Amino acid sequence: NAGVTQTPKFRVLKTGQSMTLLCAQDMNHEYMYWYRQDPGMGLRLIHYSVGEGTTAKGEVPDGYNVSRLKKQNFLLGLESAAPSQTSVYFCASSYGQGTYNEQFFGPGTRLTVL
Amino acid sequence: AQTVTQSQPEMSVQEAETVTLSCTYDTSESDYYLFWYKQPPSRQMILVIRQEAYKQQNATENRFSVNFQKAAKSFSLKISDSQLGDAAMYFCAYSMDTGRRALTFGSGTRLQVQP
Repeated sequence: NAGVTQTPKFRVLKTGQSMTLLCAQDMNHEYMYWYRQDPGMGLRLIHYSVGEGTTAKGEVPDGYNVSRLKKQNFLLGLESAAPSQTSVYFCASSYGQGTYNEQFFGPGTRLTVL
Repeated sequence: AQTVTQSQPEMSVQEAETVTLSCTYDTSESDYYLFWYKQPPSRQMILVIRQEAYKQQNATENRFSVNFQKAAKSFSLKISDSQLGDAAMYFCAYSMDTGRRALTFGSGTRLQVQP
């Protein structure tokens, strides 16, 4: 099993460009999450999904959109990148109920917006 | 809203010694989970230990143990016999047992291990 994978691992964008980060998991997890990590801070929740076809906003959703068309994939989109979106992005997944809420994390994507 | 506070930005320990990392949290829920994650320079998030709020017994995983004080909303991590490979950022995290079950993280503690 590959676990949770993220594509790409690194990316540099110019202000105003768009991109999509892909998260894939092969553990049949229902719940998936996108977090961002900034220097001196813990991870913060951007968006999440509790099942295929459902998405919801987290604490810092502005400037991002997500989609979960397939259970195993969770996409994070930046329509018009801004320097404030320079960060490390982590995807995570979990079974949800009855599993101690253990989340499995991807390796992260380092995004720089110039 | 739930909050998690780690008041020690950096800690240092000698190899083979014991170190304790502090964490406090705020919640009005009665059922929840607490976690300690390790993030080495590779930036991979690694689960170290977890605690269910309904359990009074403190969790233990090999050299790692917690001191869970539910009434005080305190959740500290003790690392015994520290090893060079323990050097990393350590994050305390909280999640509810219902709803979105997302993690709320503290700001982290950077642990240095001196040989």
